[in-house]
Amino acid sequence: DQQVKQNSPSLSVQEGRISILNCDYTNSMFDYFLWYKKYPAEGPTFLISISSIKDKNEDGRFTVFLNKSAKHLSLHIVPSQPGDSAVYFCAASGRTSYDKVIFGPGTSLSVIP
Amino acid sequence: DAGVIQSPRHEVTEMGQEVTLRCKPISGHNSLFWYRQTMMRGLELLIYFNNNVPIDDSGMPEDRFSAKMPNASFSTLKIQPSEPRDSAVYFCASTRTGHNTEAFFGQGTRLTVV
Repeated sequence: DQQVKQNSPSLSVQEGRISILNCDYTNSMFDYFLWYKKYPAEGPTFLISISSIKDKNEDGRFTVFLNKSAKHLSLHIVPSQPGDSAVYFCAASGRTSYDKVIFGPGTSLSVIP
Repeated sequence: DAGVIQSPRHEVTEMGQEVTLRCKPISGHNSLFWYRQTMMRGLELLIYFNNNVPIDDSGMPEDRFSAKMPNASFSTLKIQPSEPRDSAVYFCASTRTGHNTEAFFGQGTRLTVV
């Protein structure tokens, strides 16, 4: 019973184009959403987050969009670069300090030069 | 800051043996998490400590798994006895209390049980 779903295990994009990674969740109590990036043989690192009171958050080439009614969020990377090739995890958490963060299974992004 | 430190980086053991994974969180972080990454299930939360107290261990798969946090700077995850299906990468992460979001992960321990 996955509360956070990433239905695309992998994605290939040409360098310079837009990468769109999708994430769906089932728990309406989730209040905070995050994206983590993971390179091989390293731990995940935080990339960008969004609170449920917003529908968009932007940080440089990375933008996260949240559609609460659809329980869907997406990460846009524009323009994509070869160094963006990694596994991207979507994660969600409740509103209290003690709520645990639930991760999705990840999407492997390959940016082709 | 050195970040979250995990040891060992790699562990190969025989089925039935006891395995102990270690984690040193970032100084000042009050919350510590143990995750397991597998191809099939992605990143699963095993157990979560806050101020050294286990808050949620519902993700611990079986009684063979146990975790301790004797002080703010050290935690262990023990598997006894180990089985081949325990083979995975185990991550430790820490964060400050009240910041249950941006967690800092260690580099992981790759466990292989043969």
